Amino acid sequence: GIQVEQSPPDLILQEGANSTLRCNFSDSVNNLQWFHQNPWGQLINLFYIPSGTKQNGRLSATTVATERYSLLYISSSQTTDSGVYFCAVDSGTGANNLFFGTGTRLTVIP
Amino acid sequence: DAGITQSPRHKVTETGTPVTLRCHQTENHRYMYWYRQDPGHGLRLIHYSYGVKDTDKGEVSDGYSVSRSKTEDFLLTLESATSSQTSVYFCATRAAGGYGYTFGSGTRLTVV
Repeated sequence: GIQVEQSPPDLILQEGANSTLRCNFSDSVNNLQWFHQNPWGQLINLFYIPSGTKQNGRLSATTVATERYSLLYISSSQTTDSGVYFCAVDSGTGANNLFFGTGTRLTVIP
Repeated sequence: DAGITQSPRHKVTETGTPVTLRCHQTENHRYMYWYRQDPGHGLRLIHYSYGVKDTDKGEVSDGYSVSRSKTEDFLLTLESATSSQTSVYFCATRAAGGYGYTFGSGTRLTVV
């Protein structure tokens, strides 16, 4: 399967700070998604972004498919942003199974 | 998520016993998936289904089997539970032709 690497593995921010999370992947992808897992374990889809840039409030994401990476930007972070952020990709074959990175654990302190 | 229900939410079982986890969806999605989440590994695919009675293996399928007798239910069975299967199990669904995944709330399984 496709290899997915995320960095940094851990990140601690002061409330109000900005951050950039990175996702590198090893092959061409048909689908790239960013998820947020909250402290209660629920996985929420943030973006479907196989290429280009999208924004949703304080969050935005950019995927450069030709260079095989994606970035998730969090601006003016809030304590509710804490949790683990996962990048997941699929190659477009089979049942479009997602391959997940190991995540970035974000802690926002007040 | 109200569209996907996983049961049980928590379970403790003994080594060597069979265990079945259930995923029930009300979304009428074609595709269903079982993942396990372990520290340092993210989520890894166990098995998936692309229709009723149509299933296939994922990257960590050893020791697991699945069944899907109707669209809304996808069962994951640990044939003989081992301590290495202690994990959090997530079910997910996806509509045919769509890219959005919806995840259940997870089942925390402990094998002692």
